[in-house]
Amino acid sequence: EVQLLESGGGLVQPGGSLRLSCATSGFTFSSYEMNWVRQAPGKGLEWIAYISPGGTTIYNADSVKGRFIISRDNANNIVYLQMNSLGAEDTAVYYCGRDRGSGYKPIDSGFDYWGQGTLVTVSS
Amino acid sequence: DIQMTQSPSSLSASVGDRVTITCRASDNIGTYLNWYQQKPGKGPKALIYAASSLESGVPSRFNGGGSGTYFTLTINNLQREDLATYYCQQSKRTPYTFGQGTKLEIK
Repeated sequence: EVQLLESGGGLVQPGGSLRLSCATSGFTFSSYEMNWVRQAPGKGLEWIAYISPGGTTIYNADSVKGRFIISRDNANNIVYLQMNSLGAEDTAVYYCGRDRGSGYKPIDSGFDYWGQGTLVTVSS
Repeated sequence: DIQMTQSPSSLSASVGDRVTITCRASDNIGTYLNWYQQKPGKGPKALIYAASSLESGVPSRFNGGGSGTYFTLTINNLQREDLATYYCQQSKRTPYTFGQGTKLEIK
């Protein structure tokens, strides 16, 4: 059974840092692209970061570029999100999502599994 | 960036009804279109990918269609457990943008 479990959320002061983890199981982690998506309270979904299976290709949303870093540990099946210079606008539930495949064809794209999310609150 | 626009933003329907949600892309995305269901307090769940392919385990009353810039999600024979917010998403290129969501209420 495929499972994704986020952790590391919590209360952090403006300007602070936090590292989120997404522990995975039930599939060959090193073969899949992974993503982070967030959802501010009462708002919709916002994609924020992508990482290729080997970790060599990374994409970020403009809203987090230069502040958030996605990385992965293929030996331990974990994807991370290092968040720096946090502001109130970063308050959200953060989800990790597994990319279905390579994305070269429509049937190989989109997120097929999601975690349950971890809440990050930025406040003084 | 590709903008995704869903309509309506909310709707109310009765058990047994058929409902349709539309999603428009600001650029041609072929069939790189996915639909997700998010129930209150839960993470999103994949429903449909590649515009019309049903995710494994999803009831057949969910149907997706469209290509290019116009897409639909139709739910036939609405059930109480379909109470949720539905999102479309383009996966043609990053940033992988989502529609603003359609909140479905059951009368």
